[in-house]
Amino acid sequence: EVQLVESGGGLVQPGGSLRLSCAASGFTFSSFWMTWVRQAPGKGLEWVANIEQDGSEKYYVDSVKGRFTISRDNAKKSLYLQMNSLRAEDSAVYYCARVTGDVSGAFDIWGQGTMVSVSS
Amino acid sequence: QVLTQPPSVSVPPGKTARITCGKNNIESKSVHWYQQKPGQAPVLVIYYDTDRPSGIPERFSGSNSGNTATLTISRVEAGDEADYYCQVWDSSSHHVVFGGGTKLTVL
Repeated sequence: EVQLVESGGGLVQPGGSLRLSCAASGFTFSSFWMTWVRQAPGKGLEWVANIEQDGSEKYYVDSVKGRFTISRDNAKKSLYLQMNSLRAEDSAVYYCARVTGDVSGAFDIWGQGTMVSVSS
Repeated sequence: QVLTQPPSVSVPPGKTARITCGKNNIESKSVHWYQQKPGQAPVLVIYYDTDRPSGIPERFSGSNSGNTATLTISRVEAGDEADYYCQVWDSSSHHVVFGGGTKLTVL
């Protein structure tokens, strides 16, 4: 079964750090672009970052540039999001997703999401 | 880059729902559509403007022309009630952009 499972969310104070993980199974992880998307409570979807198959190309939404880092370990079939200098506005459910085709492709497989709460 | 969606659309069961996604010259981009029900992850329902993933009913279709992309849901059912989002890749900024979402209510 094709599956993505996120972990690593939780409650963190403003200025703190968290590392999210996304474990892939059921497909050739190294063949796909991967992405992180977040959704604040009661709000719409917001793209966070993309990473190419070999990790050489990465793109970020402006609001997280310099604070968040997307990475992957193809041997472990895992995607990561290192989040530093967290702010209250980063509070959201974070989803990892698989990108079909090239960087402009659709997000065809989604994880169940992991909740990040930034609060003192 | 902004994708404009109506906040809400309401239709009676059995009728046709049309959800729009507006942007100048959107026809030059590939548009993808997602359905999200409360408490669940989004599900891809249309990709590359008109393609339907396996398992998505034929009642779901997409089009993209001029400044508007449209998700059409024929013979709407109660189970189609959800939030729907359009999405594109902006090659100039290297950003993914989502529309603000449309809440579909089945009356």
